[in-house]
Amino acid sequence: GENVEQHPSTLSVQEGDSAVIKCTYSDSASNYFPWYKQELGKGPQLIIDIRSNVGEKKDQRIAVTLNKTAKHFSLHITETQPEDSAVYFCAASMDNNNDMRFGAGTRLTVKP
Amino acid sequence: IAGITQAPTSQILAAGRRMTLRCTQDMRHNAMYWYRQDLGLGLRLIHYSNTAGTTGKGEVPDGYSVSRANTDDFPLTLASAVPSQTSVYFCASSETGYGYTFGSGTRLTVV
Repeated sequence: GENVEQHPSTLSVQEGDSAVIKCTYSDSASNYFPWYKQELGKGPQLIIDIRSNVGEKKDQRIAVTLNKTAKHFSLHITETQPEDSAVYFCAASMDNNNDMRFGAGTRLTVKP
Repeated sequence: IAGITQAPTSQILAAGRRMTLRCTQDMRHNAMYWYRQDLGLGLRLIHYSNTAGTTGKGEVPDGYSVSRANTDDFPLTLASAVPSQTSVYFCASSETGYGYTFGSGTRLTVV
């Protein structure tokens, strides 16, 4: 089955700096790559996703890039704010979503 | 507010006891999922259901069962709880091919 690895496990940045989280996946058949943000005591929340027919997608301060050849994708957060502090999860799956596999998570801390 | 409701929020359970975690969605999503979240292991799929009346096994199904009698409800049952089932359990739903909507979780401690 699919295996998703996520790095780094923890990331600390100064407010206003950029943050980058990277994930790799093993199954070349995967074609859907969502990112989730989990705040303390809450469930994960979808923040952005990308499908294999595009290489980059942006939504305000967040962007995701996908390299299908290398089987890796990344989350980029610009102009970080303290409220961006959370645990971020990447995931990968095929269209049927039955076996979406998650990375182990990255704890992002944005210092004011 | 549309979304997923999980109950209970937390529970301490004696080993060997039976427990059902409840999950209800009001978005009419066809697919529903149960995940467990453990420190350092991320989210692991326990069981899923593509549509009412069907269920399937995920990555870690042993010791758990589910049912999907209708679109909205997807309960998870631990027949005889063991300490290794101590975890935070998340229910989620989606339309096929789209991202998940997660509930707020149930924190279960088996002692």
